[in-house]
Amino acid sequence: DQQVKQNSPSLSVQEGRISILNCDYTNSMFDYFLWYKKYPAEGPTFLISISSIKDKNEDGRFTVFLNKSAKHLSLHIVPSQPGDSAVYFCAAGSRFPGNQFYFGTGTSLTVIP
Amino acid sequence: KAGVTQTPRYLIKTRGQQVTLSCSPISGHRSVSWYQQTPGQGLQFLFEYFSETQRNKGNFPGRFSGRQFSNSRSEMNVSTLELGDSALYLCASHSGGSADTQYFGPGTRLTVL
Repeated sequence: DQQVKQNSPSLSVQEGRISILNCDYTNSMFDYFLWYKKYPAEGPTFLISISSIKDKNEDGRFTVFLNKSAKHLSLHIVPSQPGDSAVYFCAAGSRFPGNQFYFGTGTSLTVIP
Repeated sequence: KAGVTQTPRYLIKTRGQQVTLSCSPISGHRSVSWYQQTPGQGLQFLFEYFSETQRNKGNFPGRFSGRQFSNSRSEMNVSTLELGDSALYLCASHSGGSADTQYFGPGTRLTVL
C-alpha cells in the first residue's frame, strides 16, 4: 500500500519558468517531509525538508509547501534551469523513533533550454 | 568528509542464490537505512540499523536481513534470490539525531537471472 504518491511520472518545463512537483500522503501521523533529487547512476541527494509545524520552507530557488489538511505537499522550483532535470522523490515519515521514511515513485523533471 | 560508499556497485546472480551487499556510512554516523528501488515502486524501506541494533523494519519477507557492525558499517543479505529481487539497493547514512537528514550512497544494482 503506497503511503506516499507522486501521481505525475514526468513533467516538462521551459527554462526560466516555474516547476511544480506534487506529492500526496495518506498517514496523518507523518510529521516530517523531504524532497530528494536523483541523477542516473547516483543515489538520491537531499534537497529540502519541512516539518509538520510549518506550511512553507524556502531554500534559494526551491520552496516546499505543506497542506496538512489535504495531506499534500509540493515543491516549487523558480526559475527552472536545465541542470534541474532529474528525478524528484518526495518522502514522508517520522524521525521519532529512528528514521523511517516512505518515498513516492518519483517525478522525472525535464527543463527544456 | 567521505560520502556513503556501497560495494559492489553491480552484481549479477541467479535464482536461488544468496547475496550480501555492503554499506559504509559517513564517518561519525551511527544509523544506516536500506532501501530497494524498482521501476514504478519508488524507494521501499527495508530496515534501519542504529548502534548495531535494528531500529525499524519495513514490510519485506524474512529473506531480507541485515546487520550492523561496531564501526557502523552495515551489510544486507538476501537469501534464495527471486527474479523480482532485481533492483537498485540504496543505503542511507544518518547521524542518528533528529535534526539531520540522511545521505544516500550510489547504490548496488542487483540483477537476478
